[in-house]
Amino acid sequence: QQQVKQSPQSLIVQKGGISIINCAYENTAFDYFPWYQQFPGKGPALLIAIRPDVSEKKEGRFTISFNKSAKQFSLHIMDSQPGDSATYFCAAFISNFGNEKLTFGTGTRLTIIP
Amino acid sequence: EAGVAQSPRYKIIEKRQSVAFWCNPISGHATLYWYQQILGQGPKLLIQFQNNGVVDDSQLPKDRFSAERLKGVDSTLKIQPAKLEDSAVYLCASSPARGVSGNTIYFGEGSWLTVV
Repeated sequence: QQQVKQSPQSLIVQKGGISIINCAYENTAFDYFPWYQQFPGKGPALLIAIRPDVSEKKEGRFTISFNKSAKQFSLHIMDSQPGDSATYFCAAFISNFGNEKLTFGTGTRLTIIP
Repeated sequence: EAGVAQSPRYKIIEKRQSVAFWCNPISGHATLYWYQQILGQGPKLLIQFQNNGVVDDSQLPKDRFSAERLKGVDSTLKIQPAKLEDSAVYLCASSPARGVSGNTIYFGEGSWLTVV
């Protein structure tokens, strides 16, 4: 069962542009929404995360927008740089004691071109 | 602080052979996870341990996969016999305690398995 849907599958953005990746979830028990960045040959690394009681979180060039009623959230990368080229996974986490579960989206391969 | 250590990093085996992967979590982390990541897909949870007990193994193909976490520290994931569709990256991750927010899940660099 696909509980976290992610789009697009791949994205090409010019240097300096804005990269936008979208995710949607179904299970309202999810209570934490992290984004992971993965470079080739490496494990996923936490990039930024948000709780559902917040509509937006910004860290440097990275912003998460969260729409609880629509059960959607998105990652915006401002002033995209070639070093941002990686695969990005949204995820959803249930942190209930005894029932923790981290579910990943299918990933977006982002390529930033000069 | 040392990260999650995994070995071997790369393994090529023939189908029907067996393979074992080892994981050493971050010191003091109570929860350990094994994920399978097939090329082009997101990681999928195989098994989750809390100390040395299994919390969730609902997606572990138990006819061929097994995992253990003796003494609540290191963990081993075994596949026997391997199938072609087991070709994937096996990611180990750890987090400090149950019920802690998702931002404290740390991943290793993965063990890459190719079954030929």
